[in-house]
Amino acid sequence: NAGVTQTPKFRILKIGQSMTLQCTQDMNHNYMYWYRQDPGMGLKLIYYSVGAGITDKGEVPNGYNVSRSTTEDFPLRLELAAPSQTSVYFCASSQDSNEQFFGPGTRLTVL
Amino acid sequence: AQKITQTQPGMFVQEKEAVTLDCTYDTSDPSYGLFWYKQPSSGEMIFLIYQGSYDQQNATEGRYSLNFQKARKSANLVISASQLGDSAMYFCAMSEGPKAAGNKLTFGGGTRVLVKP
Repeated sequence: NAGVTQTPKFRILKIGQSMTLQCTQDMNHNYMYWYRQDPGMGLKLIYYSVGAGITDKGEVPNGYNVSRSTTEDFPLRLELAAPSQTSVYFCASSQDSNEQFFGPGTRLTVL
Repeated sequence: AQKITQTQPGMFVQEKEAVTLDCTYDTSDPSYGLFWYKQPSSGEMIFLIYQGSYDQQNATEGRYSLNFQKARKSANLVISASQLGDSAMYFCAMSEGPKAAGNKLTFGGGTRVLVKP
């Protein structure tokens, strides 16, 4: 099992550009999440999904969109990148256990 | 109001000694879960321990134990016999509501631990 994988690992964007952060899990988990971590801070929930076709907003959804067409994939879309979106982005998944499995993160810089 | 508060930004601990990391939480939901995660300098998030609001006993996982005081709304992490590899950032987190809605975590600001040889 690869667990939760995220691509890319690093990315630099110019203001106004768009991109999609990819997240895939191979554990057949129903629940998936996107968090962001600003420097020196804890993680904040952006969006989450309780199953394919179902998504909902977290604490900081503005400027992002998600989709969940399959159980495995949960991509995060940034439409008009802004410097405030410079952060490390973590995807995670969970099922019946209490543990939430995190991907390795994507470090995004917007200049 | 902050839902999860970690008041210790950083602390030193001597190798082989125990250390307690403080965490207080705020929720009006009777069903909630409390989590601790470790984040080493490499950046990954490592799950350490979980405590459910209805659990009668304090959770333990190896050298990690959670001192759960429900009335005081605190969920302190105790690391026994500290090792150099325990040097990392530690986050307390909470999920609220039934598990069927997913463990949407709210994180504290973290405590950085440095273990001295």
